Amino acid sequence: GQNIDQPTEMTATEGAIVQINCTYQTSGFNGLFWYQQHAGEAPTFLSYNVLDGLEEKGRFSSFLSRSKGYSYLLLKELQMKDSASYLCAVVDSNYQLIWGAGTKLIIKP
Amino acid sequence: DTAVSQTPKYLVTQMGNDKSIKCEQNLGHDTMYWYKQDSKKFLKIMFSYNNKELIINETVPNRFSPKSPDKAHLNLHINSLELGDSAVYFCASSQGGVVTGELFFGEGSRLTVL
Repeated sequence: GQNIDQPTEMTATEGAIVQINCTYQTSGFNGLFWYQQHAGEAPTFLSYNVLDGLEEKGRFSSFLSRSKGYSYLLLKELQMKDSASYLCAVVDSNYQLIWGAGTKLIIKP
Repeated sequence: DTAVSQTPKYLVTQMGNDKSIKCEQNLGHDTMYWYKQDSKKFLKIMFSYNNKELIINETVPNRFSPKSPDKAHLNLHINSLELGDSAVYFCASSQGGVVTGELFFGEGSRLTVL
């Protein structure tokens, strides 16, 4: 079966750095997405990785290792507004998006 | 202007009723989707529609039927609602029939079946 694993919940302090991990086992791989979803709102796109390595975009970076079936989302200089769920999703060999359950990130002052 | 809009945002109804959720996108995308997000927060694809072809997820009961009058609209009709249908339903769109680009989601429609 296809599986995406993320921690259910994480807590971090305002101004700090947090790393949210995602491991996947899918039939094929055609890219990995990270989305942010605030409570009661729609998911919004953060990043897309298809090649190994680190993609940096402002305070957010995303890393991919295809050989390890592993990705992480790195959030720097945390702000209260970063409190949200972070969803990892993988495009499989049939070009279907397989979603993780998301990691709820709680930011404390 | 809202890129992907869906109505209604909230829907409370009785078991056995039939209801529809409407979705419109003004991004010029040719692919639209319906997702279901349950209480455990998993997003599950229900349907995707690429201008010419409707792709049906086999795990979706046939009580659910998508209708697309044109490529900017993809509505979801649900017959004989059941308690387990309670969830948030998200409409989304993307450019291209293959998901290699960003998905744009609507705000979601929270369906509660009593």
